[in-house]
Amino acid sequence: EPEVTQTPSHQVTQMGQEVILRCVPISNHLYFYWYRQILGQKVEFLVSFYNNEISEKSEIFDDQFSVERPDGSNFTLKIRSTKLEDSAMYFCASSDTWQETQYFGPGTRLLVL
Amino acid sequence: KNEVEQSPQNLTAQEGEFITINCSYSVGISALHWLQQHPGGGIVSLFMLSSGKKKHGRLIATINIQEKHSSLHITASHPRDSAVYICAGDNTDKLIFGTGTRLQVFP
Repeated sequence: EPEVTQTPSHQVTQMGQEVILRCVPISNHLYFYWYRQILGQKVEFLVSFYNNEISEKSEIFDDQFSVERPDGSNFTLKIRSTKLEDSAMYFCASSDTWQETQYFGPGTRLLVL
Repeated sequence: KNEVEQSPQNLTAQEGEFITINCSYSVGISALHWLQQHPGGGIVSLFMLSSGKKKHGRLIATINIQEKHSSLHITASHPRDSAVYICAGDNTDKLIFGTGTRLQVFP
């Protein structure tokens, strides 16, 4: 069965460093999402992406964040200058249309020291 | 403001019991997702519904659009059902998550 994959599974970085989190959505899906979950808290929406542009973004998704679909398969989340509070599990998801089942990747656990 | 509220926050049950988790949501949410989060953190989609009722195995999800309320039921619960169950409101291009219900089913 097709699945969403994410790399790396874990990343440790120093405050101020740039990180890129990678996702490979399900191949025929057109809608892509990033969510994050700070330890012990609920999952929060970051950004949705369709047709090579951002559809919606949350207040969390400030100028330090960017997303890109550099080729036909990858979907990346870049954090330019990480802060301690960026430490969280980051989930990528994809769906074939709006308001349909979203398929989640296994997550990338980011730790900023 | 779009909001999703779940209850209870924690739930313990004996194997075989019937489980109900409730979710209420605000205006602006047009569909409801039920998700399961495993202890390792992975999230699995269980249901997406905008009306009526859906069933998959021992899981049943219902939604009442007028009352803006949804329920997830687990029949004949089993220890392997132990997980966090999350309802999330679909606001067209994003999900708004509830805080989750931590379910523990004991043998």
